[in-house]
Amino acid sequence: GAVVSQHPSWVICKSGTSVKIECRSLDFQATTMFWYRQFPKQSLMLMATSNEGSKATYEQGVEKDKFLINHASLTLSTLTVTSAHPEDSSFYICSADTKRASGDNEQFFGPGTRLTVL
Amino acid sequence: SQQGEEDPQALSIQEGENATMNCSYKTSINNLQWYRQNSGRGLVHLILIRSNEREKHSGRLRVTLDTSKKSSSLLITASRAADTASYFCATSDGRIKFYFGSGTKLNVKP
Repeated sequence: GAVVSQHPSWVICKSGTSVKIECRSLDFQATTMFWYRQFPKQSLMLMATSNEGSKATYEQGVEKDKFLINHASLTLSTLTVTSAHPEDSSFYICSADTKRASGDNEQFFGPGTRLTVL
Repeated sequence: SQQGEEDPQALSIQEGENATMNCSYKTSINNLQWYRQNSGRGLVHLILIRSNEREKHSGRLRVTLDTSKKSSSLLITASRAADTASYFCATSDGRIKFYFGSGTKLNVKP
């Protein structure tokens, strides 16, 4: 099946620094990728839709200047958490969209990145 | 959650028993999908059911969908310790975004 990787798998940083997380589709091309964040014992919250070659679309309440998304190629999207603060500590998961033979959209998920901001 | 709720929030059963989780959603959907997440890991797709389907099976999984009640259930039969995980439903309106329910944490005791 389709494989999506994320790097790094975990990162610890100081408050005020920026952190970049990469999401790659390894064996397929994805014009659309998604970024989610997940707080402990909670569900996934869709943050933004990353479109190859165009600007990302952010969900309501998500600061686009805080969470910079770049989708430079059909296999890579990056999320940069700028000027990170402890409240940004979370589990960030990306997914890459593809179409099933049936025509239904399916998302393949990366393994997630645990961000801890001290 | 962005889309709906799942219940129970947590479920603890003995190996061999059946586990049933329910998902309710808020808007019209094109399909509903169930995912599984092991602790601290990404999500694995389990099964998809379309809005014009009422029931679907895949191995030990059985999913039902009631669009009039905006609800779905996931039944895992003859559960195993390895089924211990969190289970999420995700809905799609036919466009590209998915919205996840709040999840059910299943613990299967050996």
